[in-house]
Amino acid sequence: DIVMTQSPDSLAVSLGERATINCKSSQSVLSSSDNMNYLAWYQHKPGQPPKLLFHWASLRQSGVPDRFSGSGSGTDFTLTISSLQAEDVAVYYCQQYHDTLFSFGGGTRVEIK
Amino acid sequence: QVQLVQSGAEVKKPGASVKVSCKASGYTFTNYDINWVRQATGQGLEWMGWMNPNTGNTGIAQKFQGRVTMTRSTSITTAYMELSSLRSEDTAVYYCARSDYGDFKVWGQGTLVAVSS
Repeated sequence: DIVMTQSPDSLAVSLGERATINCKSSQSVLSSSDNMNYLAWYQHKPGQPPKLLFHWASLRQSGVPDRFSGSGSGTDFTLTISSLQAEDVAVYYCQQYHDTLFSFGGGTRVEIK
Repeated sequence: QVQLVQSGAEVKKPGASVKVSCKASGYTFTNYDINWVRQATGQGLEWMGWMNPNTGNTGIAQKFQGRVTMTRSTSITTAYMELSSLRSEDTAVYYCARSDYGDFKVWGQGTLVAVSS
């Protein structure tokens, strides 16, 4: 099974500042057949279902503000919020779908400093 | 519009089973796998497994093998997840989610399952 490890567990960032979340997979999630990274990012707020932000590691979903960006390949990935807004307070998760059995990272809680 | 609507909250005793439903609408039910994800109190998201509504084939996370059964009724476009031998640690919000390529764009609203004696 592929184990996803996120860091940090939590971070506090001032409004307007950058937030960076890391995600590492125990095996590569880059497919040799299509050269795509089978990795997604989600935002999860209390009382709501998670919201898909990115799939294929860096393809932003419609409606997601462009202050959010996803990057990385193979085993190392990053979600960046370039200028944190109050509405971005949430827990963020990476998820791999390369393996037949999927898995999430442990989550990173983002708060306002 | 595309949506997944889940059944209501449940309270169960330890050792019992629970069956959560997930009704799909707005798309062809058999074209997309249904996944189940849970979030225990104070914990992160945990992927439980997927089911292909067309074939009934499933893929279950190792942690839940032997305790989780995923089924469907294509006539009423509904997927089901049954978890047996419940224990207090299974108290969680359970979500169904439609997977397009393995990523989850469409989610149900969540179902709280509380396990308490």
